[in-house]
Amino acid sequence: AQSVTQLGSHVSVSEGALVLLRCNYSSSVPPYLFWYVQYPNQGLQLLLKYTSAATLVKGINGFEAEFKKSETSFHLTKPSAHMSDAAEYFCAVTFGSGNTGKLIFGQGTTLQVKP
Amino acid sequence: GAVVSQHPSRVICKSGTSVKIECRSLDFQATTMFWYRQFPKQSLMLMATSNEGSKATYEQGVEKDKFLINHASLTLSTLTVTSAHPEDSSFYICSAGQLYGYTFGSGTRLTVV
Repeated sequence: AQSVTQLGSHVSVSEGALVLLRCNYSSSVPPYLFWYVQYPNQGLQLLLKYTSAATLVKGINGFEAEFKKSETSFHLTKPSAHMSDAAEYFCAVTFGSGNTGKLIFGQGTTLQVKP
Repeated sequence: GAVVSQHPSRVICKSGTSVKIECRSLDFQATTMFWYRQFPKQSLMLMATSNEGSKATYEQGVEKDKFLINHASLTLSTLTVTSAHPEDSSFYICSAGQLYGYTFGSGTRLTVV
C-alpha cells in the first residue's frame, strides 16, 4: 500500500541552525511529493513540490527538498532556522495524475525554534 | 496565485443542528475538491472527494448521510454536517485540485455544544 512516513513528530532546533525534517514514502509507481506548512488554526500552505522534474526542489522561505528514489525519501531542509518557521509541517504524496489523485499525508512534524 | 476561500472560519452550533461549510475557488475552476478533517495535534484525514456534477466519493468509515457534500459548480463545493454532535467538533479543511498541485482553504473550526 502507498504511504508516507514522517520520522520524528517533534523537532527542536536553535534559531540559525539547520532544519531537517524527514519524509519517506512507499510506492510502486512514481509519486508526486509535497511539503506543506500549517500554522495554528489555519489551512495548509505549499512549501514545495516534486513532480518528476528536477530532484532538488527549491521552495518558499528558503526551504528545499531532495527526491531520492533509491532511499524513497523526500526530506525537507533549510540552512538557517528562523523563529517564524515554528509550525507544523506535513509531507504528502499522491500517485494520481497530480491533481485529481488523493493526497496522502504523513503524521506531521512540529518544528520548534528556540531563540 | 490560486486561492480557495473557505467560510466560515469558526462556527459554534447546538447539538442536533446542521452546519454548512463553503469552499470557493476564486480564480480558477476546481473540477475536483477534497474535504479533510483534522483533530488536534493530528494529521489531515481525507473524508471525501467530490467532482463537479457528480456524487462525492467517501472514504471508508465516513458517514455519507452525516457529511453531505455538494459540488454543484466548478467554483463551489459545500460540506454540510447534519445533526451535529459534540464528537463532530473538529477542524475541517477543503482543498481544490489543480495541475500538479492542490490549494487549501483556511479551514473551519466547528464546535458543537
